[in-house]
Amino acid sequence: GIQVEQSPPDLILQEGANSTLRCNFSDSVNNLQWFHQNPWGQLINLFYIPSGTKQNGRLSATTVATERYSLLYISSSQTTDSGVYFCAVVAYTGANSKLTFGKGITLSVRP
Amino acid sequence: DTEVTQTPKHLVMGMTNKKSLKCEQHMGHRAMYWYKQKAKKPPELMFVYSYEKLSINESVPSRFSPECPNSSLLNLHLHALQPEDSALYLCASSHRSVGGVNQPQHFGDGTRLSIL
Repeated sequence: GIQVEQSPPDLILQEGANSTLRCNFSDSVNNLQWFHQNPWGQLINLFYIPSGTKQNGRLSATTVATERYSLLYISSSQTTDSGVYFCAVVAYTGANSKLTFGKGITLSVRP
Repeated sequence: DTEVTQTPKHLVMGMTNKKSLKCEQHMGHRAMYWYKQKAKKPPELMFVYSYEKLSINESVPSRFSPECPNSSLLNLHLHALQPEDSALYLCASSHRSVGGVNQPQHFGDGTRLSIL
């Protein structure tokens, strides 16, 4: 099946800093989503971005489908950005809608 | 993603109990999913329903029994669970794929299940 690798596994930032989170995937995809899981376990949809670039406030994402990677940018980080960030994909060759998740990136933003 | 509602939020049950988890959405989605998430791990797919029919079962033990009684509701019936089944159970929904392109999945807040 498709492999999803996220880096770095852990990230510690000072409030106000910027960061880039990376997601590499091993096969063509027709769905890529970025999620933020907060400390209470809620999985929040950040972006649906199988290709191209999107922005939402301080967050933006870019997926280069031909090179099989996606980047999530966080600018002016806040303590509420802490949590785990997951990249999840659906393989283009798949006949179903199985989302395969990466292992996640644990982000800690310190005041 | 609070448009997918899961109840209860927390559940503690013994290994001989029978309980059910409930998931509801009113976004007109015709695909619904159950995921299981262990601590410090990513969610893993359990079941997929498409147009109220089971389309994927990821080799889940029979002590988990899904049910989709209508297009808005998804249940997960639990019976004779083991302590290792303690986890966060997440429900999701999406539109069906359009032109071969899968649509985004929207997740509920989950049910945190503890097996004693």
